[in-house]
Amino acid sequence: RKEVEQDPGPFNVPEGATVAFNCTYSNSASQSFFWYRQDCRKEPKLLMSVYSSGNEDGRFTAQLNRASQYISLLIRDSKLSDSATYLCVVKILLLAGGYNKLIFGAGTRLAVHP
Amino acid sequence: DVKVTQSSRYLVKRTGEKVFLECVQDMDHENMFWYRQDPGLGLRLIYFSYDVKMKEKGDIPEGYSVSREKKERFSLILESASTNQTSMYLCASRHAALNEKLFFGSGTQLSVL
Repeated sequence: RKEVEQDPGPFNVPEGATVAFNCTYSNSASQSFFWYRQDCRKEPKLLMSVYSSGNEDGRFTAQLNRASQYISLLIRDSKLSDSATYLCVVKILLLAGGYNKLIFGAGTRLAVHP
Repeated sequence: DVKVTQSSRYLVKRTGEKVFLECVQDMDHENMFWYRQDPGLGLRLIYFSYDVKMKEKGDIPEGYSVSREKKERFSLILESASTNQTSMYLCASRHAALNEKLFFGSGTQLSVL
């Protein structure tokens, strides 16, 4: 079982639609959670962190459910420019050396059409 | 803006060749990482370095080595390239104290024939 699992999609939605992605993680010791965005043939970039109480950044809302071990990303009023792959990322503390490690999901592809 | 620069965007090598992938960052970041990205598998960590001269194995270090002689530069070395090392390689860096955000280079698409 993958440590971080996402539905690969694609999610094809019209402009203006609301779309939501979920991501599940298997390590209950996961500390922090993030969504990264990756445009086609480009590098990933941090979209937003996910806080325990949920958080919003404009049209984007992230939620965390520790009991069920999943995080979600909701995009309201989708724009053509939202078309990208959204990567779910989980931070785990490594006992050896006190380092932490980021584990990436394989991503969910979103295609917004006119 | 942080800049993470990878030396090549596309690279074609032959099986058995020694391959060097270079990564340079200009923000004095302590931590640097090498990932490979394959369809359906996401980003997988090959090696990372928490500071100069330091290196730690990631999840898939076999067939790779790294070098961090200077803080700004983190090199990935394929000792003897094989076809299963054909992949997109992404370098990333981050500030140790603000260790949430990774900054990625634009990637090197390596093809091993």
